[in-house]
Amino acid sequence: KNEVEQSPQNLTAQEGEFITINCSYSVGISALHWLQQHPGGGIVSLFMLSSGKKKHGRLIATINIQEKHSSLHITASHPRDSAVYICAVTVSQGNLIFGKGTKLSVKP
Amino acid sequence: NAGVTQTPKFQVLKTGQSMTLQCAQDMNHNSMYWYRQDPGMGLRLIYYSASEGTTDKGEVPNGYNVSRLNKREFSLRLESAAPSQTSVYFCASRGTGSQAFFGQGTRLTVV
Repeated sequence: KNEVEQSPQNLTAQEGEFITINCSYSVGISALHWLQQHPGGGIVSLFMLSSGKKKHGRLIATINIQEKHSSLHITASHPRDSAVYICAVTVSQGNLIFGKGTKLSVKP
Repeated sequence: NAGVTQTPKFQVLKTGQSMTLQCAQDMNHNSMYWYRQDPGMGLRLIYYSASEGTTDKGEVPNGYNVSRLNKREFSLRLESAAPSQTSVYFCASRGTGSQAFFGQGTRLTVV
């Protein structure tokens, strides 16, 4: 069983739609990260959170520590949001454990 | 404002050849990491270094060696490349309690 599970694996949306990507984890963590990877590109950190909610532009990340669950929301999606979104958790040794990613495609 | 610089970006090796992937960060981070990314799998930790002078094995260390040359630099060496090491490699660094910063990746093909 993977320690970090993401859903869905693939997601296609129309421009303007509200998007939610989910992440569940089964280990004790000190923080959870949401990362973005464009095709052929590097990996960029979007959020790091340990409680509550964070917002940056059209992106919102929430975490429920009791339920070991986090969501990444994208409001008013745009084709430039097309990317792979990766959930990762920081575990006790300070290392990161990654989910397999959610491939998002936003159609114009 | 370079962040994490990783070289080379692309490399093709023949089976049995050796090479070193270079990584440097300018953010004064203690922790540095090497990951590999394969289709259908999440990033997997090869080796990490919690501080200058220390290195530890991650999930998939076989066939690799690392050197934490100083606080800035963390290199990954393949002594005798195998086709199973065809992958995309990422270096990353983190300060205590901070987000992770990643290099641009190295696409390695072993033929």
